[in-house]
Amino acid sequence: DGGITQSPKYLFRKEGQNVTLSCEQNLNHDAMYWYRQDPGQGLRLIYYSQIVNDFQKGDIAEGYSVSREKKESFPLTVTSAQKNPTAFYLCASSNRGDRGETQYFGPGTRLLVL
Amino acid sequence: EDQVTQSPEALRLQEGESSSLNCSYTVSGLRGLFWYRQDPGKGPEFLFTLYSAGEEKEKERLKATLTKKESFLHITAPKPEDSATYLCAVGYNQGGKLIFGQGTELSVKP
Repeated sequence: DGGITQSPKYLFRKEGQNVTLSCEQNLNHDAMYWYRQDPGQGLRLIYYSQIVNDFQKGDIAEGYSVSREKKESFPLTVTSAQKNPTAFYLCASSNRGDRGETQYFGPGTRLLVL
Repeated sequence: EDQVTQSPEALRLQEGESSSLNCSYTVSGLRGLFWYRQDPGKGPEFLFTLYSAGEEKEKERLKATLTKKESFLHITAPKPEDSATYLCAVGYNQGGKLIFGQGTELSVKP
């Protein structure tokens, strides 16, 4: 089955700790995205990557880092510099094209702070 | 400023009571308007993509329409299983980026 997987489903972070969220896709999509979702707010873009070995900051990149070494994978690290990390994190992927391309989402990772 | 606004924030319907959700937008260079359904604790599920004013798409009890300033998601004779949060997003000139609205939480009671 083609799709996007995210792991873990739940993640607990201690103060001062860096944690990494996994995102893998087998849809052969070039572009991948990370969003953060907070209650009562729309999805906000953290980072995105349109090709391997290249990525750009989104609207709320501070305290986060990413890498894109493989087409299928786009891990997100939540660093200790992110002071309010509790949220639902969503990964998405899409084709690249001249028109707006549909983004498909994974099941999400809920990050909680201990 | 590029912006997407959804209304109402919450909508309660009786089973069979048709209604519409609104998504209004102000972006420079629309490159697609997208509707998603999201169940609690899950990732958004893709419903429709609309590209041009006047375009319409249908899927079961849902119909999405697009004008130059807004989109409507019409729900005909809803059932309790249609209860979810419906998200609207627009693509604009900056590559593949989307701007999301805050969503409309739909509750359909039997």
